[in-house]
Amino acid sequence: EVQLVESGGGLVQPGGSLRLSCAASGFTFSDHYMDWVRQAPGKGLEWVGRIRIKTNSYTTEHAASVRGRFTISRDDSKNTLYLQMNSLKTEDTAVYYCGREIPGSFYFDYWGQGTLVTVSS
Amino acid sequence: QSALTQPASVSGSPGQSITISCTGTSSDIGGYNYVSWYQQHPGKAPKLMIYDVDKRPSGVSNRFSGSKSGNTASLTISGLQPEDEADYHCCSYTSSYTGVFGGGTKVTVL
Repeated sequence: EVQLVESGGGLVQPGGSLRLSCAASGFTFSDHYMDWVRQAPGKGLEWVGRIRIKTNSYTTEHAASVRGRFTISRDDSKNTLYLQMNSLKTEDTAVYYCGREIPGSFYFDYWGQGTLVTVSS
Repeated sequence: QSALTQPASVSGSPGQSITISCTGTSSDIGGYNYVSWYQQHPGKAPKLMIYDVDKRPSGVSNRFSGSKSGNTASLTISGLQPEDEADYHCCSYTSSYTGVFGGGTKVTVL
């Protein structure tokens, strides 16, 4: 059974940093691009970024709203995806989901349950 | 990259059909057949309902169908049922190698 479990959320002050993790199981993690998607309270979903696989040199893309502040990485030996968030702003407050992307297309067939990040003083 | 445009809400009676639109540009919806739709109940993670414009994952009811014309994609729910009441989000790949979602549509079953 495919499972994605996010962790690392919490309360952080503006300007602070936080690292989220997404532990994957039930599939060959190293074969899949992985993405982060967030949802601010009462709002729609927002794509945050993606990381490709080793054969694509682990290249990443990030949304303009987080570019230069957030960094996506992965550790295939630990089947874990990461989101390093720096210079956090109040508008980064959201539930953060990780999602498994399907090769050759662009959609997410499995999602984690999400972890809440609150940026507030 | 601006968000895709969806109506804030759509409603229908049980058994009716409703259609949710999702409008983008030639740089996203119009340029690729990589449109997907997600259903989200309150407090839950999104669930994939449609991918590649009109394909249904295994286990998703055939009452859900997708289509695209130009820069606009659509999700149709036929034979509306109470359990279909949820938020629906469209998503597309873009020419910048990024993804973009719509603002979400709340479906109410009257």
